Amino acid sequence: DTGVSQNPRHKITKRGQNVTFRCDPISEHNRLYWYRQTLGQGPEFLTYFQNEAQLEKSRLLSDRFSAERPKGSFSTLEIQRTEQGDSAMYLCASSLTRGRGTDTQYFGPGTRLTVL
Amino acid sequence: LAKTTQPISMDSYEGQEVNITCSHNNIATNDYITWYQQFPSQGPRFIIQGYKTKVTNEVASLFIPADRKSSTLSLPRVSLSDTAVYYCLVDHMDSNYQLIWGAGTKLIIKP
Repeated sequence: DTGVSQNPRHKITKRGQNVTFRCDPISEHNRLYWYRQTLGQGPEFLTYFQNEAQLEKSRLLSDRFSAERPKGSFSTLEIQRTEQGDSAMYLCASSLTRGRGTDTQYFGPGTRLTVL
Repeated sequence: LAKTTQPISMDSYEGQEVNITCSHNNIATNDYITWYQQFPSQGPRFIIQGYKTKVTNEVASLFIPADRKSSTLSLPRVSLSDTAVYYCLVDHMDSNYQLIWGAGTKLIIKP
């Protein structure tokens, strides 16, 4: 299967701990996006990369959140000092852009984070 | 940034055609309109995308009027498996790229 994969699928942690999620995009996709989704809401944009460059970060994103995409391949999203409000589904998507913002995003299954 | 407005929920029956309308009054000249489908515990899945008039693929049609301030996703002959949340998205791409997703429309198909 060559779709977007995310690991782990589920993560339970205690408040104050750090967590890291991984996303493996579809190979050759140059864009990678991170979203957060809570129950009953649409995905909330967090950040996106074009190749290895992080081009945009949501103004709502706390400094406790950081993302990397070394070598323009997989990406990691780290949350430091987790809070209960961080509990959500974290979605990763990738796309192959052709110059304009009309690329189709392919989503992974998500990582469900529960902060106790 | 363009913002979309959709009905929170809709019900229909198997075999019917379902139309979901999305408002995007502040759509910009270069914005495209994209619809995604999401099942519980899964990531969204692309359905269709358009810029103006009508676009059709194997699963849906998208109707966009001339002013482009709204769009309508049409699902022909729905089945129970079409029960999902449908999101209308305006692809806003500029120096401050951000995608804004609304809460979507929860479509429930009844037998």
